[in-house]
Amino acid sequence: DAKTTQPPSMDCAEGRAANLPCNHSTISGNEYVYWYRQIHSQGPQYIIHGLKNNETNEMASLIITEDRKSSTLILPHATLRDTAVYYCIGVNAGGTSYGKLTFGQGTILTVHP
Amino acid sequence: DSGVTQTPKHLITATGQRVTLRCSPRSGDLSVYWYQQSLDQGLQFLIQYYNGEERAKGNILERFSAQQFPDLHSELNLSSLELGDSALYFCASRNQGPLLFGPGTRLTVL
Repeated sequence: DAKTTQPPSMDCAEGRAANLPCNHSTISGNEYVYWYRQIHSQGPQYIIHGLKNNETNEMASLIITEDRKSSTLILPHATLRDTAVYYCIGVNAGGTSYGKLTFGQGTILTVHP
Repeated sequence: DSGVTQTPKHLITATGQRVTLRCSPRSGDLSVYWYQQSLDQGLQFLIQYYNGEERAKGNILERFSAQQFPDLHSELNLSSLELGDSALYFCASRNQGPLLFGPGTRLTVL
């Protein structure tokens, strides 16, 4: 799985968009970019994933650059409950390796009033 | 409620002891994954089971073992416990799509 690099921490004002960057320059063609978050000591929560195209769901948007070397997770209107550690992970979705997620240190997002 | 249940929520024990952590996957999910999260190592994949069979291993110590039963629940057995085994242990399940994690078991070894 691709190694990912994320800033260790970010701040965001409540109600504003939170843009969390991730660098995955070694990602291979069949690896997806997945985002999870972990609020305090709860179990990680899936947010969104994508391969090439930008993706949007009820939680967030994912923008992947054309060369697929980096991506940005966008929380359009951050709330205090979005304060969490956000993990960007490269996942080979085929075969038995899926699920062997390699969590890095992630980005600690703090949303303040 | 995430659909994945883990018991117990908290477990305090002494060094040298043995404990069993239990996980019930989301209904219909055949795969179960175990992860360990300690302060110094972060979230690490331990082992995966699919429909009762071991499918993949990560950084799981020989003192640790797991199994998945016919009803698809899984147990993680930790023996000869050491202080460094204190951690959060998460179970996750999937059938298709992303992993769904449980709430975790916090193990404290004194």
